[in-house]
Amino acid sequence: DAGITQSPRHKVTETGTPVTLRCHQTENHRYMYWYRQDPGHGLRLIHYSYGVKDTDKGEVSDGYSVSRSKTEDFLLTLESATSSQTSVYFCAISGSSRDTQYFGPGTRLTVL
Amino acid sequence: KQEVTQIPAALSVPEGENLVLNCSFTDSAIYNLQWFRQDPGKGLTSLLLIQSSQREQTSGRLNASLDKSSGRSTLYIAASQPGDSATYLCAVRGGSYNTDKLIFGTGTRLQVFP
Repeated sequence: DAGITQSPRHKVTETGTPVTLRCHQTENHRYMYWYRQDPGHGLRLIHYSYGVKDTDKGEVSDGYSVSRSKTEDFLLTLESATSSQTSVYFCAISGSSRDTQYFGPGTRLTVL
Repeated sequence: KQEVTQIPAALSVPEGENLVLNCSFTDSAIYNLQWFRQDPGKGLTSLLLIQSSQREQTSGRLNASLDKSSGRSTLYIAASQPGDSATYLCAVRGGSYNTDKLIFGTGTRLQVFP
Protein backbone atom coordinates (compact mmCIF):
# COMPACT_ATOMS: atom_id res chain seq x y z
CA ASP A 1 0.00 0.00 0.00
CA ALA A 2 1.10 3.54 -0.74
CA GLY A 3 2.33 5.32 2.39
CA ILE A 4 -0.56 7.65 3.07
CA THR A 5 -1.98 8.44 6.49
CA GLN A 6 -4.82 10.71 7.48
CA SER A 7 -5.47 12.24 10.87
CA PRO A 8 -7.71 12.25 12.70
CA ARG A 9 -9.61 9.19 11.47
CA HIS A 10 -12.80 10.26 13.18
CA LYS A 11 -13.93 13.66 14.42
CA VAL A 12 -17.13 15.10 15.83
CA THR A 13 -17.35 18.86 16.04
CA GLU A 14 -19.92 21.61 16.38
CA THR A 15 -21.22 24.02 13.80
CA GLY A 16 -19.07 27.13 13.50
CA THR A 17 -15.83 25.66 14.77
CA PRO A 18 -12.69 25.43 12.63
CA VAL A 19 -11.43 21.98 11.73
CA THR A 20 -8.14 20.88 10.16
CA LEU A 21 -7.56 17.50 8.59
CA ARG A 22 -4.09 16.28 7.82
CA CYS A 23 -2.78 14.07 5.05
CA HIS A 24 0.76 12.74 5.25
CA GLN A 25 2.61 10.78 2.57
CA THR A 26 5.95 9.01 2.52
CA GLU A 27 6.07 8.44 -1.27
CA ASN A 28 7.45 11.86 -2.27
CA HIS A 29 4.64 12.22 -4.82
CA ARG A 30 4.16 15.65 -6.32
CA TYR A 31 0.37 15.66 -6.50
CA MET A 32 -1.97 15.51 -3.52
CA TYR A 33 -5.76 15.71 -3.50
CA TRP A 34 -8.65 16.11 -1.08
CA TYR A 35 -11.99 14.50 -1.89
CA ARG A 36 -15.25 14.15 -0.04
CA GLN A 37 -17.55 11.16 -0.40
CA ASP A 38 -21.27 11.43 0.15
CA PRO A 39 -24.11 8.99 -0.59
CA GLY A 40 -25.57 9.63 -4.01
CA HIS A 41 -22.73 11.94 -5.05
CA GLY A 42 -19.72 9.68 -5.16
CA LEU A 43 -16.32 11.23 -4.68
CA ARG A 44 -15.91 14.90 -5.46
CA LEU A 45 -12.68 16.85 -5.60
CA ILE A 46 -12.33 19.69 -3.08
CA HIS A 47 -8.79 20.99 -3.68
CA TYR A 48 -5.55 19.63 -5.00
CA SER A 49 -1.88 20.49 -4.94
CA TYR A 50 0.71 20.11 -7.67
CA GLY A 51 3.69 21.07 -5.55
CA VAL A 52 4.74 22.83 -2.37
CA LYS A 53 2.65 25.98 -2.02
CA ASP A 54 0.93 25.26 -5.35
CA THR A 55 -2.77 24.51 -4.97
CA ASP A 56 -5.95 24.79 -7.01
CA LYS A 57 -9.67 24.44 -6.49
CA GLY A 58 -11.75 21.44 -7.31
CA GLU A 59 -15.44 20.93 -7.88
CA VAL A 60 -16.66 21.67 -4.33
CA SER A 61 -14.15 24.08 -2.80
CA ASP A 62 -16.48 26.58 -1.11
CA GLY A 63 -15.96 26.64 2.67
CA TYR A 64 -12.61 24.83 2.45
CA SER A 65 -9.01 25.98 2.29
CA VAL A 66 -5.78 24.02 1.94
CA SER A 67 -2.10 24.47 2.56
CA ARG A 68 0.99 22.57 1.58
CA SER A 69 4.23 23.80 3.14
CA LYS A 70 6.07 20.50 2.74
CA THR A 71 5.97 17.81 0.05
CA GLU A 72 4.71 15.22 2.51
CA ASP A 73 1.86 17.15 4.16
CA PHE A 74 -1.40 18.50 2.77
CA LEU A 75 -3.82 20.16 5.17
CA LEU A 76 -7.54 20.70 4.63
CA THR A 77 -9.22 23.36 6.76
CA LEU A 78 -12.91 23.95 7.26
CA GLU A 79 -12.87 27.55 8.40
CA SER A 80 -16.31 27.42 10.04
CA ALA A 81 -17.77 23.94 9.90
CA THR A 82 -21.39 23.46 8.81
CA SER A 83 -23.63 20.40 8.95
CA SER A 84 -23.43 20.12 5.15
CA GLN A 85 -19.73 19.35 5.56
CA THR A 86 -20.49 16.14 7.42
CA SER A 87 -18.84 13.61 5.16
CA VAL A 88 -16.00 11.17 4.71
CA TYR A 89 -12.85 12.92 3.51
CA PHE A 90 -10.20 11.14 1.48
CA CYS A 91 -6.71 12.21 0.60
CA ALA A 92 -5.01 10.88 -2.52
CA ILE A 93 -1.57 11.16 -4.08
CA SER A 94 -0.07 10.65 -7.51
CA GLY A 95 3.30 11.07 -9.13
CA SER A 96 1.96 13.08 -12.03
CA SER A 97 -1.40 14.55 -13.01
CA ARG A 98 -2.27 11.49 -15.13
CA ASP A 99 -0.83 8.72 -13.02
CA THR A 100 -2.71 6.28 -10.84
CA GLN A 101 -4.07 7.94 -7.72
CA TYR A 102 -3.54 6.20 -4.39
CA PHE A 103 -5.95 6.87 -1.58
CA GLY A 104 -5.64 7.21 2.17
CA PRO A 105 -7.95 5.46 4.67
CA GLY A 106 -10.30 8.44 5.07
CA THR A 107 -11.51 10.70 7.87
CA ARG A 108 -15.11 10.55 9.00
CA LEU A 109 -16.21 14.03 10.05
CA THR A 110 -19.50 14.75 11.77
CA VAL A 111 -20.61 18.36 12.27
CA LEU A 112 -23.42 18.71 14.81
CA LYS B 1 -19.32 18.68 -18.27
CA GLN B 2 -18.07 15.11 -17.94
CA GLU B 3 -20.53 12.75 -16.28
CA VAL B 4 -19.80 9.16 -15.29
CA THR B 5 -22.52 6.58 -14.78
CA GLN B 6 -22.26 3.07 -13.40
CA ILE B 7 -24.93 0.47 -13.92
CA PRO B 8 -26.13 -1.49 -12.06
CA ALA B 9 -25.94 0.30 -8.73
CA ALA B 10 -25.96 -3.04 -6.92
CA LEU B 11 -25.39 -6.63 -7.94
CA SER B 12 -25.66 -9.90 -6.03
CA VAL B 13 -24.26 -13.10 -7.55
CA PRO B 14 -23.36 -16.63 -6.42
CA GLU B 15 -19.74 -17.57 -6.02
CA GLY B 16 -18.01 -18.75 -9.20
CA GLU B 17 -20.01 -16.63 -11.60
CA ASN B 18 -18.29 -14.46 -14.20
CA LEU B 19 -19.62 -10.93 -14.13
CA VAL B 20 -19.39 -7.59 -15.89
CA LEU B 21 -19.61 -4.14 -14.36
CA ASN B 22 -20.37 -1.21 -16.62
CA CYS B 23 -19.14 2.37 -16.70
CA SER B 24 -20.18 5.02 -19.20
CA PHE B 25 -18.98 8.58 -19.67
CA THR B 26 -20.39 11.45 -21.68
CA ASP B 27 -17.23 13.10 -23.06
CA SER B 28 -14.98 10.73 -24.99
CA ALA B 29 -11.93 13.07 -24.98
CA ILE B 30 -10.40 11.34 -21.95
CA TYR B 31 -6.77 10.72 -21.05
CA ASN B 32 -7.37 7.56 -19.08
CA LEU B 33 -9.85 5.62 -16.98
CA GLN B 34 -9.24 4.02 -13.62
CA TRP B 35 -11.13 1.27 -11.77
CA PHE B 36 -11.10 1.19 -7.98
CA ARG B 37 -12.38 -1.09 -5.29
CA GLN B 38 -13.71 0.19 -1.97
CA ASP B 39 -14.41 -2.02 1.02
CA PRO B 40 -16.90 -0.76 3.63
CA GLY B 41 -15.36 1.92 5.85
CA LYS B 42 -12.10 1.85 3.90
CA GLY B 43 -10.29 3.91 1.32
CA LEU B 44 -10.09 3.18 -2.39
CA THR B 45 -7.73 0.61 -3.84
CA SER B 46 -6.64 1.09 -7.44
CA LEU B 47 -7.33 -1.99 -9.59
CA LEU B 48 -6.54 -1.02 -13.15
CA LEU B 49 -5.61 2.08 -15.13
CA ILE B 50 -6.32 2.15 -18.87
CA GLN B 51 -4.77 4.84 -21.02
CA SER B 52 -6.87 6.35 -23.81
CA SER B 53 -4.69 4.61 -26.41
CA GLN B 54 -5.31 1.18 -24.86
CA ARG B 55 -8.20 -1.22 -25.39
CA GLU B 56 -7.83 -3.29 -22.26
CA GLN B 57 -5.83 -4.08 -19.15
CA THR B 58 -5.65 -7.29 -17.18
CA SER B 59 -4.68 -8.09 -13.62
CA GLY B 60 -5.28 -11.60 -12.38
CA ARG B 61 -9.01 -12.38 -12.60
CA LEU B 62 -9.80 -8.79 -13.59
CA ASN B 63 -9.99 -7.46 -17.12
CA ALA B 64 -10.97 -3.91 -17.95
CA SER B 65 -11.83 -2.77 -21.45
CA LEU B 66 -12.19 0.71 -22.87
CA ASP B 67 -14.17 1.86 -25.90
CA LYS B 68 -13.48 5.57 -25.96
CA SER B 69 -15.56 6.36 -29.02
CA SER B 70 -18.71 4.96 -27.43
CA GLY B 71 -17.89 6.28 -23.97
CA ARG B 72 -17.85 2.90 -22.26
CA SER B 73 -15.69 0.75 -20.08
CA THR B 74 -16.37 -2.66 -18.59
CA LEU B 75 -14.75 -4.47 -15.70
CA TYR B 76 -14.89 -8.23 -16.10
CA ILE B 77 -14.40 -10.36 -12.99
CA ALA B 78 -13.81 -14.04 -13.65
CA ALA B 79 -14.80 -16.80 -11.24
CA SER B 80 -16.09 -14.42 -8.58
CA GLN B 81 -15.34 -15.10 -4.90
CA PRO B 82 -16.93 -13.83 -1.66
CA GLY B 83 -13.77 -11.78 -1.12
CA ASP B 84 -14.65 -9.79 -4.24
CA SER B 85 -17.61 -8.28 -2.38
CA ALA B 86 -17.05 -4.51 -2.35
CA THR B 87 -18.06 -1.36 -4.15
CA TYR B 88 -16.39 -0.86 -7.52
CA LEU B 89 -15.83 2.66 -8.78
CA CYS B 90 -14.71 3.90 -12.14
CA ALA B 91 -13.20 7.31 -12.71
CA VAL B 92 -12.20 9.13 -15.87
CA ARG B 93 -9.53 11.72 -16.29
CA GLY B 94 -9.84 14.35 -19.01
CA GLY B 95 -12.58 15.51 -21.32
CA SER B 96 -12.99 18.60 -23.41
CA TYR B 97 -13.45 20.94 -20.43
CA ASN B 98 -11.75 18.94 -17.72
CA THR B 99 -8.02 18.75 -17.69
CA ASP B 100 -6.40 16.28 -15.35
CA LYS B 101 -9.00 15.84 -12.63
CA LEU B 102 -10.65 12.51 -11.92
CA ILE B 103 -14.42 12.36 -12.27
CA PHE B 104 -15.98 9.45 -10.40
CA GLY B 105 -19.06 7.39 -10.95
CA THR B 106 -21.22 6.51 -7.95
CA GLY B 107 -20.18 2.89 -8.00
CA THR B 108 -21.57 -0.63 -8.24
CA ARG B 109 -21.99 -2.44 -4.93
CA LEU B 110 -21.16 -6.10 -5.50
CA GLN B 111 -22.07 -8.96 -3.20
CA VAL B 112 -20.80 -12.46 -3.95
CA PHE B 113 -22.46 -15.10 -1.78
CA PRO B 114 -21.13 -18.61 -1.12
